[in-house]
Amino acid sequence: TQLLEQSPQFLSIQEGENLTVYCNSSSVFSSLQWYRQEPGEGPVLLVTVVTGGEVKKLKRLTFQFGDARKDSSLHITAAQPGDTGLYLCAVGSGNQFYFGTGTSLTVIP
Amino acid sequence: DTAVSQTPKYLVTQMGNDKSIKCEQNLGHDTMYWYKQDSKKFLKIMFSYNNKELIINETVPNRFSPKSPDKAHLNLHINSLELGDSAVYFCASSGQGGNYGYTFGSGTRLTVV
Repeated sequence: TQLLEQSPQFLSIQEGENLTVYCNSSSVFSSLQWYRQEPGEGPVLLVTVVTGGEVKKLKRLTFQFGDARKDSSLHITAAQPGDTGLYLCAVGSGNQFYFGTGTSLTVIP
Repeated sequence: DTAVSQTPKYLVTQMGNDKSIKCEQNLGHDTMYWYKQDSKKFLKIMFSYNNKELIINETVPNRFSPKSPDKAHLNLHINSLELGDSAVYFCASSGQGGNYGYTFGSGTRLTVV
């Protein structure tokens, strides 16, 4: 089992639709990060959430940290083809840093 | 200016060869890392260096060795390459132990034939 399980693993939607991806764990974390990785590139940091229940918005992307700081969600409103990519959550634990299993999103024009 | 740059972008080599991947960061970060991304896109940390000291060394084969000549560089040497080493390798850097995010390079796709 992985420390961070993401769902769904794959998601293909039409442009303009809304979607939510999830990052779940049985462990408690002090902070959690979301990254987006485009083909042929490295992951790029989107946001860091640190407080239980925290909600952060980045244009059409809304990130929420669970109240118990064990899980997080990413909601995209009116998805666009430019949102296509691999979405990864990540946490630090001690001296180590772990990434989730990833959600591969394809937005069809 | 590229914040984290790694070379080469692509590397095709035969089994048994020795190869190196170079990484440089110009962000002034204290810690640098090497990650391996497998065919299922799962990212797993291999090594990290903080102020020229190895602070994480995951259970990777000892054929892999990181070399850091200074705070801005962390190279990855791989000896006796095996087919299973084929993957994308990412260099990354962070300040303050990674709590405020990592900056990744664009990756090196290693193919062992």
